[in-house]
Amino acid sequence: QKEVEQNSGPLSVPEGAIASLNCTYSDRGSQSFFWYRQYSGKSPELIMSIYSNGDKEDGRFTAQLNKASQYVSLLIRDSQPSDSATYLCAVIPQGGSEKLVFGKGTKLTVNP
Amino acid sequence: GAVVSQHPSRVICKSGTSVKIECRSLDFQATTMFWYRQFPKKSLMLMATSNEGSKATYEQGVEKDKFLINHASLTLSTLTVTSAHPEDSSFYICSAEFTYNEQFFGPGTRLTVL
Repeated sequence: QKEVEQNSGPLSVPEGAIASLNCTYSDRGSQSFFWYRQYSGKSPELIMSIYSNGDKEDGRFTAQLNKASQYVSLLIRDSQPSDSATYLCAVIPQGGSEKLVFGKGTKLTVNP
Repeated sequence: GAVVSQHPSRVICKSGTSVKIECRSLDFQATTMFWYRQFPKKSLMLMATSNEGSKATYEQGVEKDKFLINHASLTLSTLTVTSAHPEDSSFYICSAEFTYNEQFFGPGTRLTVL
């Protein structure tokens, strides 16, 4: 069973702080990694994709991938109350299928 | 990012009726689309993978005769919930595969079966 694990939280940070979200995955051959944001009652929104080891930055978001440790993280700098949502880590395991395997999500609350 | 639409956004129907949900990729062509359902405060559950011009691949436990999927063009996939019952009430979300395995999700359809 190919799994993706996330700390379910809730994670609470003050406005302006850095929020750090973590994810581990079981399939060592995985090649594609994604972070989605899902507001309550809404569908997921893709915020970051990462495919190679290291950091990838996009605005206030930085995704970090370490394939040796089977670990992917998302950092949100200068957190805003509007960042309050559930963050889903998703992985495409090795095997030719394009199906995403999702973690259960981490609920983030940014307090004003 | 790529844009995916769904229609309708919300539907209420009587038990025993069929409901069709459309999923469209608006600014790109999608060979592969996916259908998910999500119950309140639960994780997304993949129902099926839809490939243009071929039969959908259903996940284990999903009734293919109840959830009919048609991917007739590179921009449109439809999900028909046949003979809907209250237990089918859920949030149905489609996604379309863009480049590099990125999936973009539609806004979802909230189905309530009375």
